Amino acid sequence: QQPVQSPQAVILREGEDAVINCSSSKALYSVHWYRQKHGEAPVFLMILLKGGEQKGHDKISASFNEKKQQSSLYLTASQLSYSGTYFCGTESGRGSTLGRLYFGRGTQLTVWP
Amino acid sequence: ETGVTQTPRHLVMGMTNKKSLKCEQHLGHNAMYWYKQSAKKPLELMFVYSLEERVENNSVPSRFSPECPNSSHLFLHLHTLQPEDSALYLCASSLMRGNEQFFGPGTRLTVL
Repeated sequence: QQPVQSPQAVILREGEDAVINCSSSKALYSVHWYRQKHGEAPVFLMILLKGGEQKGHDKISASFNEKKQQSSLYLTASQLSYSGTYFCGTESGRGSTLGRLYFGRGTQLTVWP
Repeated sequence: ETGVTQTPRHLVMGMTNKKSLKCEQHLGHNAMYWYKQSAKKPLELMFVYSLEERVENNSVPSRFSPECPNSSHLFLHLHTLQPEDSALYLCASSLMRGNEQFFGPGTRLTVL
């Protein structure tokens, strides 16, 4: 039930773009994205709900294709502060599994000046 | 204090010890979670509490025992742990189950 994230690691120069993918073998209700910097707690970025939506704030956006059970996180014009490990968490439904997130292994993003 | 706090931040214990991890949230949330984060492994959900009632116990060994006395506090009682239980234990809370989760800084646990 654990989603698969790709790539495992990305190295960028400041100002470059990156895409991180998250795919599941199960039907999804929602996808949650988090970023964790070394030695810190994961920080919430955004939730995408069933219905195939896109969201974004600042230069970070995401899409959710429920038919393909995939979500992608887009980071444009990357900044040094974007460095960290990005995790997707997937939720397969409401009811008893509400709030039960399965997390991917993470994508380590490094931005160099 | 604001957000989600966890104490202690670091804990070293022997296999025969009994200890407890504490989590407190100051966000007025109704759901709280315990996660285990090991090196090279994804975040693993251990327990979910909603309105102080346990709604998820993800096949966690009985040497881990959660307690949620009220919606602001969550404990994880530990006894006779194994070295493979060494990990970062993260607490999180959300307004309701399914909403975005806010994580605490974690307790780094080492079992000798």
